Amino acid sequence: DAGVIQSPRHEVTEMGQEVTLRCKPISGHNSLFWYRQTMMRGLELLIYFNNNVPIDDSGMPEDRFSAKMPNASFSTLKIQPSEPRDSAVYFCATLEGQNYGYTFGSGTRLTVV
Amino acid sequence: GNSVTQMEGPVTLSEEAFLTINCTYTATGYPSLFWYVQYPGEGLQLLLKATKADDKGSNKGFEATYRKETTSFHLEKGSVQVSDSAVYFCALGNAGNNRKLIWGLGTSLAVNP
Repeated sequence: DAGVIQSPRHEVTEMGQEVTLRCKPISGHNSLFWYRQTMMRGLELLIYFNNNVPIDDSGMPEDRFSAKMPNASFSTLKIQPSEPRDSAVYFCATLEGQNYGYTFGSGTRLTVV
Repeated sequence: GNSVTQMEGPVTLSEEAFLTINCTYTATGYPSLFWYVQYPGEGLQLLLKATKADDKGSNKGFEATYRKETTSFHLEKGSVQVSDSAVYFCALGNAGNNRKLIWGLGTSLAVNP
């Protein structure tokens, strides 16, 4: 298995632009999580899906952020419009079952200038 | 609410030294406990876990014991290697829902040859 695949690995964009981050989960893992990691705030859960349904989006910082999971093979996190304070590493992680632990992707490093 | 506290880093050790990274938690019920490791430029990886009191998780020479009486899950390794240099995260599952983890802030470890 190729693991959790995220794209792009790096994204540099100008303030105000739309940014879309992508995640392909491991087949059979029915929970998917979007995390943001910064030095200041550490690891923050933004949203998670179970069986493609959003379960908890309380960590989404504001309306500029949205996430979708149209099917079991694909999820996106969109920021529109982007701001410099959105600069961070965004991770997608998936979970096969509650006690197995997450599998993380390699992350997308987003820089908004 | 549930919370996790990790010792602050960075921790700097010489090769073959003994490692302890402290992690304490507050929780209701009996959640699972996890240690994750993040190597530079990568996503987090599950290192070990324990699902009930007195369980010992172990992997790659690392160990941690779920101690209910002291609400701790300290990570230990008897002899560290340069390749162990990474950031280590302690995490707590919510009882009955280990999908949504509560994360410590991470402890950076640097091992010098």
